[in-house]
Amino acid sequence: AQKVTQAQTEISVVEKEDVTLDCVYETRDTTYYLFWYKQPPSGELVFLIRRNSFDEQNEISGRYSWNFQKSTSSFNFTITASQVVDSAVYFCALTSLDSNYQLIWGAGTKLIIKP
Amino acid sequence: GAVVSQHPSWVICKSGTSVKIECRSLDFQATTMFWYRQFPKQSLMLMATSNEGSKATYEQGVEKDKFLINHASLTLSTLTVTSAHPEDSSFYICSAEGQGSSNQPQHFGDGTRLSIL
Repeated sequence: AQKVTQAQTEISVVEKEDVTLDCVYETRDTTYYLFWYKQPPSGELVFLIRRNSFDEQNEISGRYSWNFQKSTSSFNFTITASQVVDSAVYFCALTSLDSNYQLIWGAGTKLIIKP
Repeated sequence: GAVVSQHPSWVICKSGTSVKIECRSLDFQATTMFWYRQFPKQSLMLMATSNEGSKATYEQGVEKDKFLINHASLTLSTLTVTSAHPEDSSFYICSAEGQGSSNQPQHFGDGTRLSIL
């Protein structure tokens, strides 16, 4: 069975702090893909990153970075020097042949950045 | 990049009305489109998967006669909520993927907020 767990329901930090959003996944497939999406209050989903299971290199994009650890089945997302505009709900998702490539979604983490 | 247009963005209507939501892929051919429903403070729930020219595949618990999906062309899928009632009020989101890109990020519409009075 496939599953994505985002244990943090809500995180609140003060602007400029670093914050890490956790994502733990379960799958039997050896080939799979992991995603992070951002959903601001306006509702639209913004694609942030896609990572395949064979690429364990960590990625950095500006203030965003992702730590993929197959050994712990985790794909954590860190925002450095957070800003108020980062306030949103962040979803981690998984897809693979086992799910017929349908997205398996985590419950989401609501991130609140206080000024 | 790929763009998916969803219309309307907001609907308020009376109970018993049928509401149609359109999802268009603007610059690519979407062989598969997905319809999601999202309740407040919850994750996305897949309602159905539609492939162009064939019947949609509904997830367990989703009423086919209630949520009619049509995917008549490679750029357009519609979701019709028939005889809508207050419990159908929700945020509906469509997404699309092109041929041979099942492991690529799905491209999402901006969603439709449906409020049934």
